[in-house]
Amino acid sequence: QKEVEQDPGPLSVPEGAIVSLNCTYSNSAFQYFMWYRQYSRKGPELLMYTYSSGNKEDGRFTAQVDKSSKYISLFIRDSQPSDSATYLCAMSIQGAQKLVFGQGTRLTINP
Amino acid sequence: EAGVAQSPRYKIIEKRQSVAFWCNPISGHATLYWYQQILGQGPKLLIQFQNNGVVDDSQLPKDRFSAERLKGVDSTLKIQPAKLEDSAVYLCASSSYTSGDTQYFGPGTRLTVL
Repeated sequence: QKEVEQDPGPLSVPEGAIVSLNCTYSNSAFQYFMWYRQYSRKGPELLMYTYSSGNKEDGRFTAQVDKSSKYISLFIRDSQPSDSATYLCAMSIQGAQKLVFGQGTRLTINP
Repeated sequence: EAGVAQSPRYKIIEKRQSVAFWCNPISGHATLYWYQQILGQGPKLLIQFQNNGVVDDSQLPKDRFSAERLKGVDSTLKIQPAKLEDSAVYLCASSSYTSGDTQYFGPGTRLTVL
């Protein structure tokens, strides 16, 4: 069993839709949870960073962490074609170091 | 602020050949990481440096992979000899304590082993 599981998709939705991306994990020691966005032929860039459980909102993006279920989510509201990318969840025991990444979900927003 | 620089961007080699990748981190970032990202998978950490010392190389295949970070700035990752399964994107990232340890990634080097 992988430490972090993420549905690879691909996921295709129309512009303006609400997108829900999810990861599950097995290591209860994970305390820090991140979402990265990776455009084709580019390196990942950090979107959201949360510590422990709860919600965090940044513009059209909301990250949720449910440690009791070992489940994290990223919601994208009013999705735009420019949001088309691969979304990677990542988590760690100690800060932003020693990240363990999910497989990534490939998302396409259709105009 | 300049980002993480990597070169070359693409490399094609035959199996059993050697190859080296170069990374220049963001100025002032003490921590440097090398990741391997196989197509369709998330990045996997190969090695982490703090200044010029190795913090974690537990997932580095040391029989064929080596990395160094002389003078605590630039870093090189070498594969010798390469195998078909080494085909992947090699990502370099850097971070600093003052930036909350957020890792900033370079564009990667895409390696194809034939």
